[in-house]
Amino acid sequence: DGGITQSPKYLFRKEGQNVTLSCEQNLNHDAMYWYRQDPGQGLRLIYYSQIVNDFQKGDIAEGYSVSREKKESFPLTVTSAQKNPTAFYLCASTLGGSSGNTIYFGEGSWLTVV
Amino acid sequence: RKEVEQDPGPFNVPEGATVAFNCTYSNSASQSFFWYRQDCRKEPKLLMSVYSSGNEDGRFTAQLNRASQYISLLIRDSKLSDSATYLCVVPLKGNAGNMLTFGGGTRLMVKP
Repeated sequence: DGGITQSPKYLFRKEGQNVTLSCEQNLNHDAMYWYRQDPGQGLRLIYYSQIVNDFQKGDIAEGYSVSREKKESFPLTVTSAQKNPTAFYLCASTLGGSSGNTIYFGEGSWLTVV
Repeated sequence: RKEVEQDPGPFNVPEGATVAFNCTYSNSASQSFFWYRQDCRKEPKLLMSVYSSGNEDGRFTAQLNRASQYISLLIRDSKLSDSATYLCVVPLKGNAGNMLTFGGGTRLMVKP
């Protein structure tokens, strides 16, 4: 079945460590996104990519990095510079980068700093 | 004013009730708007797309009022299983790539 796969589902990070969240899609979508959601809050955009080898900062990019070497993959690295990384991270994709396209989500990754 | 604003609720309603939520937005770039449903600790899932004036799907009706810049979601004959957070999604003019912007969500709790 087509969809978006995020891994790991649950991740614990020690202070000062970098961690990478994986996101793979087989929908043949051009655009991919990373969102962060804190408890009881809405989604905030971290980074997005509308085409391979290109990505743009969202509203809260500080402390995060991404790459888009393949159309199917858009991993997110949470660096030690992110001071409050505990949150629910959602990867998403759309067919194109335009505003009329439905956005599809992976099941999310829960990151906890211990 | 937030770019996309929703009443966070919670809306507590009895089974069978009709409930409506609004979502106000600033300066949309598009004809398409979306309502998503998010269950606790899960990813958002598409509930309805809203084009031009509105859309209806069973017990759910979504409407767009472009002049007043809001979209609404009406749920008739509420079920216990409708309990969730409802997110509106609006493409906003001026955001890079006319990016889809999410409201903070409205929480609905349907009681027996």
